[in-house]
Amino acid sequence: TQLLEQSPQFLSIQEGENLTVYCNSSSVFSSLQWYRQEPGEGPVLLVTVVTGGEVKKLKRLTFQFGDARKDSSLHITAAQPGDTGLYLCAGAGNQFYFGTGTSLTVIP
Amino acid sequence: GAVVSQHPSWVICKSGTSVKIECRSLDFQATTMFWYRQFPKQSLMLMATSNEGSKATYEQGVEKDKFLINHASLTLSTLTVTSAHPEDSSFYICSASTRAANEKLFFGSGTQLSVL
Repeated sequence: TQLLEQSPQFLSIQEGENLTVYCNSSSVFSSLQWYRQEPGEGPVLLVTVVTGGEVKKLKRLTFQFGDARKDSSLHITAAQPGDTGLYLCAGAGNQFYFGTGTSLTVIP
Repeated sequence: GAVVSQHPSWVICKSGTSVKIECRSLDFQATTMFWYRQFPKQSLMLMATSNEGSKATYEQGVEKDKFLINHASLTLSTLTVTSAHPEDSSFYICSASTRAANEKLFFGSGTQLSVL
């Protein structure tokens, strides 16, 4: 059973478009991380959110932690081909629980 | 930032042979290391959790006799795939955490295993 469900699973968009990736769970987490992974490499940490309702921005990426600390979203503005990759959310509890993943392709 | 080194990056082996993958924390002491398996464009599947000096805890469905994990020091954990078969071909990734940053994971760069 996957504790964290991500949607969509696959997303292919044109350069310049906006998109949102969702990470949902029925469990509460003390913190939540977002990672991006490129083929053949390990995941790279993008952000950690800790407080319910917290919003963090990283250039064109906006991350939000749900008020109840059960869900999170990642919004990308004006997507670029360099944003292509697998995006993973991970919740911290007794261990780290990874989301189901969202594979993003940005077409030039 | 903390660096985790994983070797080899890729390995091709014959069916029936054993392959060892190393995961080292270069600039911190990793109290806990995790081993994952990943298929293309899919999420990470946790295989086992290892704490330094103790036996690894395997996830349900992971054969402990096939995937041998050793965490002999605070900077090194190894995963040995014994008697590898083509169905073991996959991308294997390690990660490490420390008590000082117990809600952050630091990942290795992964190992692509191909069993012929």
